[in-house]
Amino acid sequence: RKEVEQDPGPFNVPEGATVAFNCTYSNSASQSFFWYRQDCRKEPKLLMSVYSSGNEDGRFTAQLNRASQYISLLIRDSKLSDSATYLCVVNLVGSARQLTFGSGTQLTVLP
Amino acid sequence: EAGVAQSPRYKIIEKRQSVAFWCNPISGHATLYWYQQILGQGPKLLIQFQNNGVVDDSQLPKDRFSAERLKGVDSTLKIQPAKLEDSAVYLCASSLDLDRSSYEQYFGPGTRLTVT
Repeated sequence: RKEVEQDPGPFNVPEGATVAFNCTYSNSASQSFFWYRQDCRKEPKLLMSVYSSGNEDGRFTAQLNRASQYISLLIRDSKLSDSATYLCVVNLVGSARQLTFGSGTQLTVLP
Repeated sequence: EAGVAQSPRYKIIEKRQSVAFWCNPISGHATLYWYQQILGQGPKLLIQFQNNGVVDDSQLPKDRFSAERLKGVDSTLKIQPAKLEDSAVYLCASSLDLDRSSYEQYFGPGTRLTVT
């Protein structure tokens, strides 16, 4: 079983749509959680951290369910510029700030 | 602020040849990472340095891969000899000192390696 699993997609949605991505992680000792964004043929960049209480940054909302070992990312009012691959990322306790990446979910926002 | 620099951006070699990649992290970032990203997958950590010391190289295929960060700043990753399955993007990332609270890693543009 992969440490971090994501639905690879692709998700093709029209502009203005709301889209949600899910991610599960296998190690219950996981400590910190993030969503990174990776544009085609570019490097990954931090989109947002995920906190137990849930957090929002503009059109983006991240949720964490530790009991189910599940993380989600919701994008509201999708823009063309949101087209990218979204990587779910987990850090384990005591792993010296090493990040374990999921394989990513590809999103294409259509005009 | 300058980002993480990597070179070369692209490299094509034949199997069994050697190749080296260079990375210069963001100034002041003590921790440096090398990742391998195969097409369709997320980045996989190969090695992590703090200053010029290795924190973790458990996923580095040491029979053919080596890395160094001699002066605690820039780093090189070498593959010798290369295999077809080494075709991937090699990403370098850096972050602030391990004792800081931030987990954010800043990635360079990567080196796209094709082994034929």
